Amino acid sequence: GENVEQHPSTLSVQEGDSAVIKCTYSDSASNYFPWYKQELGKRPQLIIDIRSNVGEKKDQRIAVTLNKTAKHFSLHITETQPEDSAVYFCAAKPGSARQLTFGSGTQLTVLP
Amino acid sequence: GAVVSQHPSRVICKSGTSVKIECRSLDFQATTMFWYRQFPKQSLMLMATSNEGSKATYEQGVEKDKFLINHASLTLSTLTVTSAHPEDSSFYICSAPGPKGTEAFFGQGTRLTVV
Repeated sequence: GENVEQHPSTLSVQEGDSAVIKCTYSDSASNYFPWYKQELGKRPQLIIDIRSNVGEKKDQRIAVTLNKTAKHFSLHITETQPEDSAVYFCAAKPGSARQLTFGSGTQLTVLP
Repeated sequence: GAVVSQHPSRVICKSGTSVKIECRSLDFQATTMFWYRQFPKQSLMLMATSNEGSKATYEQGVEKDKFLINHASLTLSTLTVTSAHPEDSSFYICSAPGPKGTEAFFGQGTRLTVV
């Protein structure tokens, strides 16, 4: 099955700086890669996703890049704000699978 | 977007009792729902896949008789933790694929504490 690795596990940045979280996946058949933000005690919320036919997608301060050859994808957050502090999960899903396989999560802390 | 509602959000129960957690898709039908367990500061660990009208599919290491799953309708799946013990204390969360079939929509989660 699919295996997703995520790094780093914790990340602290100063407010206004950029944050980058990286994930790798194992199944070359994976074609859907969402990123979720989870605040303490709350449900994960989708913040951005990308499909395998696209190399990059941007939504305001958030962007995701995908390298299918290397089987890795990254989340980029620019101009970070304290409210960006949360746990971020990447995930991957092969077209044939019903469920997402999640990475281990990254605790992002934005220091004011 | 699609909405998944999970109840209760918090529950405290005595050791040996059973607890039922409900997961409902409010504005779409879900033939499949997923149940996860999340320990503090850890990732979402898939426990089982709930299938409407058929038996659930459990992940390796998950006790079927302890975590009973029922998916009786296209909008409701339930997880019953039977004979709960303190080590079952955790955050349980369900999700369902949205109408497009890819994005996962999560319930609010249930914080279970077994005393």
